[in-house]
Amino acid sequence: GAVVSQHPSWVICKSGTSVKIECRSLDFQATTMFWYRQFPKQSLMLMATSNEGSKATYEQGVEKDKFLINHASLTLSTLTVTSAHPEDSSFYICSARGGLGRLVPRYNEQFFGPGTRLTVL
Amino acid sequence: AQTVTQSQPEMSVQEAETVTLSCTYDTSESDYYLFWYKQPPSRQMILVIRQEAYKQQNATENRFSVNFQKAAKSFSLKISDSQLGDAAMYFCAYRGYGKLTFGQGTILTVHP
Repeated sequence: GAVVSQHPSWVICKSGTSVKIECRSLDFQATTMFWYRQFPKQSLMLMATSNEGSKATYEQGVEKDKFLINHASLTLSTLTVTSAHPEDSSFYICSARGGLGRLVPRYNEQFFGPGTRLTVL
Repeated sequence: AQTVTQSQPEMSVQEAETVTLSCTYDTSESDYYLFWYKQPPSRQMILVIRQEAYKQQNATENRFSVNFQKAAKSFSLKISDSQLGDAAMYFCAYRGYGKLTFGQGTILTVHP
């Protein structure tokens, strides 16, 4: 099946610093990537949707200047949490959807990365 | 806007028994997909089963099957012969023309 990787799997940073999380589709071209945030024992909350080569579309209430998303290629999207604060501590999950390349995911299915645990001290 | 409701925050089942997780949704779209995802303690989202709304036949994947009632907008997941490895948080999800919408999740505990 299609594989989505995320790096790093966990990160601890000091308040005020910026953190970048990478999301890669390893064996297919992801025309669309999604970034989610999840608190313990809660559902996934969509933060933004990005299409390759264009600006991300943010969900209501998500600060686009704080959560910078770049989808520069069909296999890579990055989420940068700028000037992180303790309330940004969370589990961040990326997901990719596509239809081009060696493997065509069925039904325009979304494939999920393993997530990144961010802890801001 | 589409909504997905899982009314069971927690469920438990004995190993080898059967359990059913409930899900209802609300939509005005005519063409859509429904999914059940499993999120084990590793937190990797795993697709368990999918159902296309235009298909009347309920989807089945080994021990997992759904009861799709389109008129009632209900989409329950039945897990047969439950195994310890089935313990996880399960999310029902809807996708029409827009984004994937998740329910609140149901934590499933499997007792040996």
